[in-house]
Amino acid sequence: AQTVTQSQPEMSVQEAETVTLSCTYDTSESDYYLFWYKQPPSRQMILVIRQEAYKQQNATENRFSVNFQKAAKSFSLKISDSQLGDAAMYFCAYRSGGSQGNLIFGKGTKLSVKP
Amino acid sequence: EAGVAQSPRYKIIEKRQSVAFWCNPISGHATLYWYQQILGQGPKLLIQFQNNGVVDDSQLPKDRFSAERLKGVDSTLKIQPAKLEDSAVYLCASSLVWGGLGGELFFGEGSRLTVL
Repeated sequence: AQTVTQSQPEMSVQEAETVTLSCTYDTSESDYYLFWYKQPPSRQMILVIRQEAYKQQNATENRFSVNFQKAAKSFSLKISDSQLGDAAMYFCAYRSGGSQGNLIFGKGTKLSVKP
Repeated sequence: EAGVAQSPRYKIIEKRQSVAFWCNPISGHATLYWYQQILGQGPKLLIQFQNNGVVDDSQLPKDRFSAERLKGVDSTLKIQPAKLEDSAVYLCASSLVWGGLGGELFFGEGSRLTVL
């Protein structure tokens, strides 16, 4: 069975600085997707960034980028120029290849942004 | 485009009572998911529907939880009787069947259940 581990329950960053959230996963599959989702307090979970396992190039979305190390089964999220609105729970998630697979989540990392 | 709608947002009940949550997915999304998110943990899948058929309900406590998706659109999740450990946020999500931006799930705001 696949598992996702986020070893940092809480992180803090100064506004305008850069922070990296860690995620490792375990799988025997070769075809899968990895995601970072953001969940603001009492609001819906939204997709931050997605990585296809077959792509070697790391995904980027504006201030968000990932460091995907397939051999090490590591998938970290880097947030550059942190903003107050980035404060939220961040979940790393795994999905098997094939569109019907469900998401398997880590326990999350609570990110605080200090003004 | 309208997002995933859920109701009620909040519900407080006594243990052994029953409760039902409703979800309306994004139009055209054939796959619907119910997740349970206990405080301090990541969401855990309870049940997944493909149109109105069940794809995966292996983690659904079937002695007290039930779910249906009539006509392949709206879905209802029921808990009867509720236990203290059922206190959680129940998240509904939907996705396209094939392709669909690499398997992205779209989530509703959730229904927060407190069992006293």
